[in-house]
Amino acid sequence: DIVMTQTPLSLYVTPGQPASISCKSSQSLLHSDGKTYLYWYLQKPGQSPQLLIYEVYRRFSGVPDRFSGSGSGTDFTLKISRVEADDVGVYYCMQAIFVPPTFGGGTKVEIK
Amino acid sequence: EVQMLESGGGLVQPGGSLRLSCAASGFTFSSYAMSWVRQAPGKGLEWVSGILGSGGRTHYADSVKGRFTISRDNSKKTLYLQMNSLRAEDTAVYYCAKDGDYDDYGWYFDLWGRGTLVTVSS
Repeated sequence: DIVMTQTPLSLYVTPGQPASISCKSSQSLLHSDGKTYLYWYLQKPGQSPQLLIYEVYRRFSGVPDRFSGSGSGTDFTLKISRVEADDVGVYYCMQAIFVPPTFGGGTKVEIK
Repeated sequence: EVQMLESGGGLVQPGGSLRLSCAASGFTFSSYAMSWVRQAPGKGLEWVSGILGSGGRTHYADSVKGRFTISRDNSKKTLYLQMNSLRAEDTAVYYCAKDGDYDDYGWYFDLWGRGTLVTVSS
């Protein structure tokens, strides 16, 4: 199975400041169809996960533009340009190029 | 409203069985693959099983293969997970998750239910 490694484990951010989360995969997520199958989810406290970003950088419906994704191959980054109180929770990256789909261990984002 | 609601969780002894259900509404259920994803207490996410909209091409995580069976009833817009030979390590919140691609596996999930807790303990 593909291993997804996220850093850092946790992040304390001042509201209005940027935040960045790294995700590395044990194999390239670039498919022969030209797409890269890397996704980001946010699980807010007490809630189920919600899709934020698909195929590295595409924002899902309703996701604010302060969230952006980048990267290629095996190295990916989720950036929040200006963190808000509503952004707290655990962020997970996930690969979908190979079955089984696998998730990173999660990065907990908290507000200072 | 697009939503999914899981049910059927509870406390079960090791070696026991449980059947989870996930009732969907607000989208064309039969057109989308569905998966079960679980989360052990205080832990991360683990994909468990998937099934195509037609009910074919099922897939399982190695950790549950041979013990769990995924199925669906498109007439009832309901997804199921039959769990047999349960172990303590199966203790988790089980989420049903809608695939993001139409008519085939995209292997990503754009809609999640609220989850149902399964506790395996004597």
